[in-house]
Amino acid sequence: AQTVTQSQPEMSVQEAETVTLSCTYDTSESDYYLFWYKQPPSRQMILVIRQEAYKQQNATENRFSVNFQKAAKSFSLKISDSQLGDAAMYFCAFPDSGGGADGLTFGKGTHLIIQP
Amino acid sequence: KAGVTQTPRYLIKTRGQQVTLSCSPISGHRSVSWYQQTPGQGLQFLFEYFSETQRNKGNFPGRFSGRQFSNSRSEMNVSTLELGDSALYLCASSLGQARGSPLHFGNGTRLTVT
Repeated sequence: AQTVTQSQPEMSVQEAETVTLSCTYDTSESDYYLFWYKQPPSRQMILVIRQEAYKQQNATENRFSVNFQKAAKSFSLKISDSQLGDAAMYFCAFPDSGGGADGLTFGKGTHLIIQP
Repeated sequence: KAGVTQTPRYLIKTRGQQVTLSCSPISGHRSVSWYQQTPGQGLQFLFEYFSETQRNKGNFPGRFSGRQFSNSRSEMNVSTLELGDSALYLCASSLGQARGSPLHFGNGTRLTVT
């Protein structure tokens, strides 16, 4: 079974600085997707970024980028120029192996605090 | 386009009762999946429906069930409620055509079992 590990329960960063959230995973699959989702206090999960494993290039969405190391099974999220609105729980996720398309295995999450 | 709508937002039930939660997906989305979120276990996948058929199921007891209607709306039911069922239940929808489709989540239903 897939496992997803986020080793940082909480991270704190000064506004405008850069922070990196870590995620490692375990899978026997060779072609897959990886995701980072954000959950602000409003509770709604929002997709931050998605990476396709067969693509060598790291995904980027504005201030958010990933460092994907397939051999090391590592998928970290870098947030540049942190803003107060980035404060949230961040979850790394991997598709469940049980069939279908939308089952995800999530990590335990990292609580990101932005210091003004 | 309206987002994923979950009703009700909050629910309080007593042990032994049953509960039904509702989810209306984004228009055009045919896949609906359900997740349970608790402080102890985190986010756990419950099940996924596509075109009224259950396509995948997580590791939950049979007390947890769901269904999907022809308009893609979905319901999940929990029977014989236990205190440990207290959680935030999240619903997500997608086009469901391939793994890796972005999921769009609702705001969740907060269930408290007393």
